[in-house]
Amino acid sequence: GAGVSQSPRYKVAKRGQDVALRCDPISGHVSLFWYQQALGQGPEFLTYFQNEAQLDKSGLPSDRFFAERPEGSVSTLKIQRTQQEDSAVYLCASSLPGLIPYEQYFGPGTRLTVT
Amino acid sequence: RKEVEQDPGPFNVPEGATVAFNCTYSNSASQSFFWYRQDCRKEPKLLMSVYSSGNEDGRFTAQLNRASQYISLLIRDSKLSDSATYLCVVNAAGSSNTGKLIFGQGTTLQVKP
Repeated sequence: GAGVSQSPRYKVAKRGQDVALRCDPISGHVSLFWYQQALGQGPEFLTYFQNEAQLDKSGLPSDRFFAERPEGSVSTLKIQRTQQEDSAVYLCASSLPGLIPYEQYFGPGTRLTVT
Repeated sequence: RKEVEQDPGPFNVPEGATVAFNCTYSNSASQSFFWYRQDCRKEPKLLMSVYSSGNEDGRFTAQLNRASQYISLLIRDSKLSDSATYLCVVNAAGSSNTGKLIFGQGTTLQVKP
């Protein structure tokens, strides 16, 4: 079946531009996560949705980062006024809550380069 | 100090070798533990969960020592296709109902012919 998809796969933005990254989770997956992965590092948690509710945004690095999932399916991560330190791969993952262990299925990521 | 620490490697081993990776975590309240595998420029994929009693999946064995807050992964008879980065992953304490994961830096394995 279809996995998690993300678009665009690659994005080059000039410093100061706004970007929007899209995630389509696996159909029926209630939980959706965003992670940021810098080069040579493991993914770092950004935010979590259960259906349309954003239950945890503790990992968002600044108020320039904003995520939404208005209908409990597709999610968008928006970064305003991009900075060079925002360059990273942004990974989206989805899962069914309540199953232990919590297997999260990751999308291929969006590689963001800020020049 | 990072919440999950791993030796980044790289580990360069010949085919057929046995290799072990270790990981430590700082939060004693963590409840769930995993190893994920990530190929170059690909997304992470679950390799196996780690249980207190230890568990095995083919050539892979995972162990958890809660007292020492230590997790290990053993790969026997390594194959060229095992070359990847192995991520030690812990669920964030207090988030048992959300599944928020904390990843280590990853350990890179290169299996040579």
